[in-house]
Amino acid sequence: GESVGLHLPTLSVQEGDNSIINCAYSNSASDYFIWYKQESGKGPQFIIDIRSNMDKRQGQRVTVLLNKTVKHLSLQIAATQPGDSAVYFCAENENQGGKLIFGQGTELSVKP
Amino acid sequence: GAGVSQSPSNKVTEKGKDVELRCDPISGHTALYWYRQSLGQGLEFLIYFQGNSAPDKSGLPSDRFSAERTGGSVSTLTIQRTQQEDSAVYLCASSLGGGWNTEAFFGQGTRLTVV
Repeated sequence: GESVGLHLPTLSVQEGDNSIINCAYSNSASDYFIWYKQESGKGPQFIIDIRSNMDKRQGQRVTVLLNKTVKHLSLQIAATQPGDSAVYFCAENENQGGKLIFGQGTELSVKP
Repeated sequence: GAGVSQSPSNKVTEKGKDVELRCDPISGHTALYWYRQSLGQGLEFLIYFQGNSAPDKSGLPSDRFSAERTGGSVSTLTIQRTQQEDSAVYLCASSLGGGWNTEAFFGQGTRLTVV
């Protein structure tokens, strides 16, 4: 089956700093993107989404940037807190209703 | 229920046995997904149901894996003749489906251990 990458990359940040997590997607036809947060022992939780007709969307402490030219997505977390420690996944969707394909996760570790 | 419910939460089975994993999606959600997550790795797509359409089975790793969704609600993932490499967390998600409403809500998963 379709799979995500192995050996999750890690990002370590100091509490209070900003975090930037990156994701490269493969399907130029994807038109909807989502970031998920997965804490240990739990299922992924929705953080923020963005449609392909946008290049930036902001939520509470989080911002998603989309660069369709280079097929790149990023998640910015402002004033990172210990509770933000988790694995973060991007997901892409094609044709407004197709299956969600998850990208490689990144493990975020926040140092107090 | 309020969220996606999966059962059992943990399952230990002997190699060669068949197992069934159950998913109760959020009421009204027409789309249902199954994913597999091995320890420390990402989510591997298995199968996707959308309404009455034929399911997208392109992610099933072998013919030992099958899934059905009865009445457009509850789904069962069946693994026949389990192997040790089947050990993983199996996650189910549901979404309203269609249009832009494809935010998927995940269950807690079923941790399958094949010994």
